[in-house]
Amino acid sequence: EIVLTQSPDFQSVTPKEKVTITCRASQSIGSSLHWYQQKPDQSPKLLIKYASQSISGVPSRFSGSGSGTDFTLTINSLEAEDAATYYCHQSSSLPQTFGQGTKLEIK
Amino acid sequence: QVQLVESGGGVVQPGGSLRLSCAASGFTFSSYGMHWVRQAPGKGLEWVAFIRYDGSNKYYADSVKGRFTISRDNSKNTLYLQMNSLRAEDTAVYYCAKDGGGMTPGTFGYWGQGTLVTVSS
Repeated sequence: EIVLTQSPDFQSVTPKEKVTITCRASQSIGSSLHWYQQKPDQSPKLLIKYASQSISGVPSRFSGSGSGTDFTLTINSLEAEDAATYYCHQSSSLPQTFGQGTKLEIK
Repeated sequence: QVQLVESGGGVVQPGGSLRLSCAASGFTFSSYGMHWVRQAPGKGLEWVAFIRYDGSNKYYADSVKGRFTISRDNSKNTLYLQMNSLRAEDTAVYYCAKDGGGMTPGTFGYWGQGTLVTVSS
């Protein structure tokens, strides 16, 4: 099973700040890494697919990069509505797995 | 627009059974694989099971293998999860999710609202 480790687990940030969340895979997964945003009492929402591909309707301040074992989700100019938990997810091999999540708090 | 609506959750005793349903609309259900993903209270996401578009192949997380069965009825645009021998650790919100398919397999572009399963005596 591929283990995904996110860092940090929690981050308190101010609006307009730039945020970087990292996801490290226990073995190479190519670019089969996706990012989701989950707000309290809501279902997860796909933000970025295949490491860096944008999703229609997702604000352009969200971007992704990386390949192999190291990946990054970047949120430029954070907005209050970005308060949520963010998860990475790999679809390279079964069982598909998720990172433990990174909770973003807006100061 | 794509809609996924889960139902069937509730409270069940340890060792009991429950069947979840996921009614799909807004897309050609018979053309896409489907997943179940769960989330224990206050915890992260866990992939549970996947079924190919035609039901020909099914895959499970080790934690549910032999106890849960994923199935689908393409004539009814409905996905199912039969859960047997339930344990306290199966307590979670269960989401159905549409696979990206085609050029984007493995992505979960659409999710249902989830249904809560509580295993407790």
